[in-house]
Amino acid sequence: KAGVTQTPRYLIKTRGQQVTLSCSPISGHRSVSWYQQTPGQGLQFLFEYFSETQRNKGNFPGRFSGRQFSNSRSEMNVSTLELGDSALYLCASSLAPGASREQYFGPGTRLTVT
Amino acid sequence: EDKVVQSPLSLVVHEGDTVTLNCSYEVTNFRSLLWYKQEKKAPTFLFMLTSSGIEKKSGRLSSILDKKELFSILNITATQTGDSAVYLCAAQGGSEKLVFGKGTKLTVNP
Repeated sequence: KAGVTQTPRYLIKTRGQQVTLSCSPISGHRSVSWYQQTPGQGLQFLFEYFSETQRNKGNFPGRFSGRQFSNSRSEMNVSTLELGDSALYLCASSLAPGASREQYFGPGTRLTVT
Repeated sequence: EDKVVQSPLSLVVHEGDTVTLNCSYEVTNFRSLLWYKQEKKAPTFLFMLTSSGIEKKSGRLSSILDKKELFSILNITATQTGDSAVYLCAAQGGSEKLVFGKGTKLTVNP
Protein backbone atom coordinates (compact mmCIF):
# COMPACT_ATOMS: atom_id res chain seq x y z
CA LYS A 1 0.00 0.00 0.00
CA ALA A 2 1.47 3.37 -0.98
CA GLY A 3 2.16 5.81 1.80
CA VAL A 4 1.23 9.47 2.10
CA THR A 5 2.62 11.49 -0.77
CA GLN A 6 3.30 15.20 -0.86
CA THR A 7 4.18 17.46 -3.73
CA PRO A 8 6.31 19.32 -4.37
CA ARG A 9 9.12 18.15 -2.13
CA TYR A 10 10.98 21.44 -2.25
CA LEU A 11 9.91 25.00 -2.97
CA ILE A 12 11.65 28.36 -2.98
CA LYS A 13 9.44 31.44 -2.96
CA THR A 14 9.93 35.14 -2.29
CA ARG A 15 8.17 37.23 0.31
CA GLY A 16 4.67 38.29 -0.69
CA GLN A 17 4.06 35.37 -3.03
CA GLN A 18 1.61 32.60 -2.38
CA VAL A 19 2.12 28.84 -2.46
CA THR A 20 -0.03 25.73 -2.74
CA LEU A 21 1.07 22.37 -1.36
CA SER A 22 -0.58 19.04 -2.10
CA CYS A 23 -1.09 15.88 -0.05
CA SER A 24 -2.47 12.51 -1.13
CA PRO A 25 -3.39 10.30 1.82
CA ILE A 26 -2.97 6.55 2.11
CA SER A 27 -5.63 4.77 0.09
CA GLY A 28 -8.76 4.45 2.20
CA HIS A 29 -7.75 7.17 4.63
CA ARG A 30 -10.23 10.01 4.72
CA SER A 31 -8.76 12.33 7.32
CA VAL A 32 -5.85 14.62 6.47
CA SER A 33 -4.02 16.86 8.94
CA TRP A 34 -1.37 19.45 8.19
CA TYR A 35 1.58 20.41 10.41
CA GLN A 36 4.35 22.97 10.27
CA GLN A 37 7.77 21.94 11.58
CA THR A 38 10.46 24.50 12.42
CA PRO A 39 13.62 24.14 14.52
CA GLY A 40 12.34 26.63 17.07
CA GLN A 41 8.72 25.61 17.46
CA GLY A 42 8.82 21.95 16.57
CA LEU A 43 5.76 20.34 15.02
CA GLN A 44 2.65 22.49 15.20
CA PHE A 45 -0.84 21.59 14.08
CA LEU A 46 -2.29 23.67 11.26
CA PHE A 47 -5.66 22.10 10.41
CA GLU A 48 -7.50 18.87 9.74
CA TYR A 49 -9.93 17.92 7.01
CA PHE A 50 -12.42 15.10 6.80
CA SER A 51 -15.15 14.63 4.21
CA GLU A 52 -14.12 17.89 2.55
CA THR A 53 -14.79 19.84 5.77
CA GLN A 54 -12.33 21.49 8.08
CA ARG A 55 -12.79 19.84 11.47
CA ASN A 56 -10.07 21.50 13.46
CA LYS A 57 -7.74 24.45 13.21
CA GLY A 58 -4.55 25.41 14.99
CA ASN A 59 -3.33 28.85 16.01
CA PHE A 60 -2.15 30.14 12.66
CA PRO A 61 -3.15 33.35 10.85
CA GLY A 62 -5.76 33.39 8.13
CA ARG A 63 -3.02 33.42 5.49
CA PHE A 64 -2.91 29.67 6.00
CA SER A 65 -5.84 27.86 4.46
CA GLY A 66 -6.65 24.46 3.10
CA ARG A 67 -9.22 22.31 1.44
CA GLN A 68 -9.99 18.69 0.77
CA PHE A 69 -11.38 17.12 -2.36
CA SER A 70 -13.89 14.30 -2.73
CA ASN A 71 -11.05 11.79 -3.28
CA SER A 72 -9.59 12.84 0.12
CA ARG A 73 -6.61 14.60 -1.43
CA SER A 74 -5.87 17.85 0.32
CA GLU A 75 -4.16 21.11 -0.48
CA MET A 76 -2.93 23.87 1.74
CA ASN A 77 -2.33 27.41 0.64
CA VAL A 78 -0.20 30.12 2.20
CA SER A 79 -0.73 33.64 0.91
CA THR A 80 1.47 36.70 1.31
CA LEU A 81 4.47 34.62 2.33
CA GLU A 82 6.72 35.84 5.13
CA LEU A 83 10.27 34.80 5.93
CA GLY A 84 8.99 33.04 9.05
CA ASP A 85 6.90 30.71 6.93
CA SER A 86 10.06 28.85 5.93
CA ALA A 87 9.51 25.39 7.33
CA LEU A 88 8.89 21.74 6.61
CA TYR A 89 5.18 21.24 5.98
CA LEU A 90 3.99 17.75 6.80
CA CYS A 91 0.68 16.15 6.18
CA ALA A 92 -0.62 13.09 7.98
CA SER A 93 -3.48 10.81 7.13
CA SER A 94 -5.67 8.53 9.19
CA LEU A 95 -8.67 6.35 8.48
CA ALA A 96 -11.01 8.75 10.20
CA PRO A 97 -10.84 11.62 12.68
CA GLY A 98 -10.95 10.99 16.38
CA ALA A 99 -8.77 11.30 19.42
CA SER A 100 -7.32 7.78 19.46
CA ARG A 101 -6.11 7.17 15.95
CA GLU A 102 -2.86 6.39 14.26
CA GLN A 103 -1.68 9.13 11.95
CA TYR A 104 0.86 8.43 9.21
CA PHE A 105 3.05 11.20 7.86
CA GLY A 106 4.18 12.04 4.37
CA PRO A 107 7.75 13.06 3.49
CA GLY A 108 6.93 16.75 3.73
CA THR A 109 7.41 19.83 1.56
CA ARG A 110 10.42 21.96 2.40
CA LEU A 111 9.40 25.60 1.81
CA THR A 112 12.06 28.30 1.78
CA VAL A 113 10.95 31.93 1.66
CA THR A 114 13.59 34.47 0.62
CA GLU B 1 -2.98 25.26 27.13
CA ASP B 2 -2.12 21.70 26.12
CA LYS B 3 1.58 20.89 26.25
CA VAL B 4 4.00 18.01 25.91
CA VAL B 5 7.52 18.06 27.32
CA GLN B 6 10.21 15.58 26.34
CA SER B 7 13.47 14.90 28.10
CA PRO B 8 16.31 14.78 27.57
CA LEU B 9 16.46 17.02 24.51
CA SER B 10 19.60 15.27 23.35
CA LEU B 11 21.32 12.00 24.18
CA VAL B 12 24.55 10.38 22.98
CA VAL B 13 25.16 6.70 23.69
CA HIS B 14 27.28 3.81 22.45
CA GLU B 15 25.99 0.87 20.48
CA GLY B 16 24.59 -1.75 22.81
CA ASP B 17 23.44 0.70 25.47
CA THR B 18 19.86 0.86 26.69
CA VAL B 19 18.12 4.24 26.62
CA THR B 20 14.96 5.62 28.17
CA LEU B 21 13.24 8.63 26.67
CA ASN B 22 10.71 10.56 28.69
CA CYS B 23 7.52 12.34 27.76
CA SER B 24 5.20 14.22 30.12
CA TYR B 25 1.94 15.77 29.02
CA GLU B 26 -0.82 18.10 30.08
CA VAL B 27 -3.71 17.70 27.70
CA THR B 28 -7.37 18.41 28.31
CA ASN B 29 -9.49 15.24 28.10
CA PHE B 30 -6.49 13.09 27.27
CA ARG B 31 -7.21 10.24 24.89
CA SER B 32 -3.93 8.84 23.56
CA LEU B 33 -0.19 9.26 23.36
CA LEU B 34 1.84 8.54 20.24
CA TRP B 35 5.54 8.02 19.61
CA TYR B 36 7.24 8.72 16.29
CA LYS B 37 10.77 8.34 14.97
CA GLN B 38 12.02 11.05 12.61
CA GLU B 39 15.24 10.42 10.73
CA LYS B 40 15.33 12.68 7.72
CA LYS B 41 11.88 13.81 6.77
CA ALA B 42 8.65 11.99 7.60
CA PRO B 43 8.04 10.97 11.21
CA THR B 44 7.37 7.24 11.20
CA PHE B 45 4.77 5.85 13.56
CA LEU B 46 6.04 3.69 16.44
CA PHE B 47 3.33 3.28 19.08
CA MET B 48 -0.02 4.55 20.23
CA LEU B 49 -0.86 4.18 23.91
CA THR B 50 -4.25 4.68 25.44
CA SER B 51 -4.24 2.59 28.61
CA SER B 52 -2.05 2.88 31.68
CA GLY B 53 0.37 0.15 32.55
CA ILE B 54 0.11 -1.83 29.33
CA GLU B 55 3.49 -2.11 27.64
CA LYS B 56 3.67 -2.01 23.88
CA LYS B 57 6.64 -3.73 22.25
CA SER B 58 8.15 -3.83 18.82
CA GLY B 59 11.48 -5.58 18.64
CA ARG B 60 13.95 -3.70 20.79
CA LEU B 61 11.55 -0.80 21.37
CA SER B 62 8.93 -0.67 24.07
CA SER B 63 6.73 1.99 25.58
CA ILE B 64 4.42 2.39 28.51
CA LEU B 65 1.95 5.02 29.66
CA ASP B 66 1.16 6.24 33.17
CA LYS B 67 -2.10 8.18 33.05
CA LYS B 68 -2.02 8.96 36.75
CA GLU B 69 1.38 10.64 36.62
CA LEU B 70 0.82 11.93 33.07
CA PHE B 71 3.91 10.55 31.42
CA SER B 72 5.18 7.94 29.05
CA ILE B 73 8.57 6.38 28.43
CA LEU B 74 10.11 4.89 25.35
CA ASN B 75 12.80 2.27 25.93
CA ILE B 76 15.30 1.13 23.36
CA THR B 77 17.49 -1.83 24.29
CA ALA B 78 20.75 -2.91 22.61
CA THR B 79 20.86 0.31 20.62
CA GLN B 80 22.24 0.32 17.08
CA THR B 81 23.54 3.18 14.93
CA GLY B 82 20.33 2.92 12.92
CA ASP B 83 18.40 4.03 16.00
CA SER B 84 19.95 7.49 15.67
CA ALA B 85 17.03 9.85 15.07
CA VAL B 86 14.76 12.38 16.71
CA TYR B 87 12.05 10.68 18.74
CA LEU B 88 8.81 12.62 18.96
CA CYS B 89 6.05 12.23 21.48
CA ALA B 90 2.56 13.58 20.83
CA ALA B 91 -0.63 13.62 22.87
CA GLN B 92 -4.21 13.72 21.66
CA GLY B 93 -6.97 15.13 23.81
CA GLY B 94 -10.56 16.15 23.43
CA SER B 95 -9.64 18.66 20.74
CA GLU B 96 -8.31 15.72 18.67
CA LYS B 97 -5.26 17.73 17.66
CA LEU B 98 -1.87 16.10 18.03
CA VAL B 99 0.25 18.20 20.39
CA PHE B 100 3.93 17.42 19.92
CA GLY B 101 6.91 17.74 22.19
CA LYS B 102 10.16 19.22 20.87
CA GLY B 103 11.67 15.76 20.51
CA THR B 104 14.69 13.91 21.86
CA LYS B 105 17.66 13.70 19.51
CA LEU B 106 19.33 10.31 20.00
CA THR B 107 22.81 9.69 18.63
CA VAL B 108 24.16 6.15 18.80
CA ASN B 109 27.92 5.94 18.22
CA PRO B 110 29.59 2.72 17.06
